[in-house]
Amino acid sequence: GESVGLHLPTLSVQEGDNSIINCAYSNSASDYFIWYKQESGKGPQFIIDIRSNMDKRQGQRVTVLLNKTVKHLSLQIAATQPGDSAVYFCAENPIYGGATNKLIFGTGTLLAVQP
Amino acid sequence: NAGVTQTPKFQVLKTGQSMTLQCAQDMNHEYMSWYRQDPGMGLRLIHYSVGAGITDQGEVPNGYNVSRSTTEDFPLRLLSAAPSQTSVYFCASGRSGGRGDSPLHFGNGTRLTVT
Repeated sequence: GESVGLHLPTLSVQEGDNSIINCAYSNSASDYFIWYKQESGKGPQFIIDIRSNMDKRQGQRVTVLLNKTVKHLSLQIAATQPGDSAVYFCAENPIYGGATNKLIFGTGTLLAVQP
Repeated sequence: NAGVTQTPKFQVLKTGQSMTLQCAQDMNHEYMSWYRQDPGMGLRLIHYSVGAGITDQGEVPNGYNVSRSTTEDFPLRLLSAAPSQTSVYFCASGRSGGRGDSPLHFGNGTRLTVT
């Protein structure tokens, strides 16, 4: 079926280390992927996105990697800071007959940054 | 700009009661949507709208109604609340349904408990 899932529900890292959050998707028709960050008591916040014609995209301290062969997405956070502690969601946008309005979210990974 | 504003922040209902969750955005976004977030299940799309007067069902529409009479507002109505509708509800808006040129902007959610 169509689903987006995460390998690790909880990730604990030391401040200053790099973090890698992984995500598997099952819909090969998906052509657009997004990472969101959700802090406690708030709504998801857009971090970075990538289209299926790319395999890597970099932002400020974040990098998203896409491996279409194994349907795998990852978010790398460099020099992780306490403010990065949150739940991270990947989301995919599958194409249904051309419509692109239905984001499918993964279940989320909790990133805990230890000082 | 206030972004996406949801009211109320918290609500407790008895089984069978009805209510409306309000959502307003001031970014002139054409696309608006409602998601529910349950533990371990990520965010699931309830209903969405690509413009005033146009609505469509998402993944879990049963028990909910929506309407879009203006660009700014997208209320979600619970017709007869059930305990299974206990959840956190998020409203989101975007220029084009969540694609890269316009990521979804989320409100801070409404936490609903049905007893």
